Amino acid sequence: RKEVEQDPGPFNVPEGATVAFNCTYSNSASQSFFWYRQDCRKEPKLLMSVYSSGNEDGRFTAQLNRASQYISLLIRDSKLSDSATYLCVVPNAGGTSYGKLTFGQGTILTVHP
Amino acid sequence: DTGVSQDPRHKITKRGQNVTFRCDPISEHNRLYWYRQTLGQGPEFLTYFQNEAQLEKSRLLSDRFSAERPKGSFSTLEIQRTEQGDSAMYLCASSHRGDEQYFGPGTRLTVT
Repeated sequence: RKEVEQDPGPFNVPEGATVAFNCTYSNSASQSFFWYRQDCRKEPKLLMSVYSSGNEDGRFTAQLNRASQYISLLIRDSKLSDSATYLCVVPNAGGTSYGKLTFGQGTILTVHP
Repeated sequence: DTGVSQDPRHKITKRGQNVTFRCDPISEHNRLYWYRQTLGQGPEFLTYFQNEAQLEKSRLLSDRFSAERPKGSFSTLEIQRTEQGDSAMYLCASSHRGDEQYFGPGTRLTVT
């Protein structure tokens, strides 16, 4: 089993739609999680951190289910500018203690008019 | 700009040549990471420094790869005898104790 797994998509949705991405992780000891956003040919940028059951920031909601070892990202009222690749990230997924980030494959989102 | 910077942004080299990339982290960030990203994949961890000490290296980092951070500030990543499979985006990130890492714009390497 991969340490971090995401559905690569792509997801194609109209403006205003609600879209959700899921991510599963293998290390049950992982304590914190991130969603990064990566635009085409750019570096990843932190979108949200998830340290407990969930986190909400405007149109974005991240939820954590420790029992099932998955994290989700919900985007409401999608904008054209939300088109990007969304990366699920787990620090120390392999059990090390140095903050090494393990990335999922990324989920491609395209929002169309 | 006070973010992470990387140089060069693009590098085209012929197979068998050596290349060196530089990363300047955010000032006072004591942790520095190198990742590699190929098309359609998320970044993969290569190595990590805390100050000047290299504390972890991935199995991806073959003997042809070497990284240094001599004074605990900037870092270099060298690839010797490049191969076509080394073509990728090389990303540097830095952090200050916490897990949240800030990435530089990357160096895109093309080996012909």
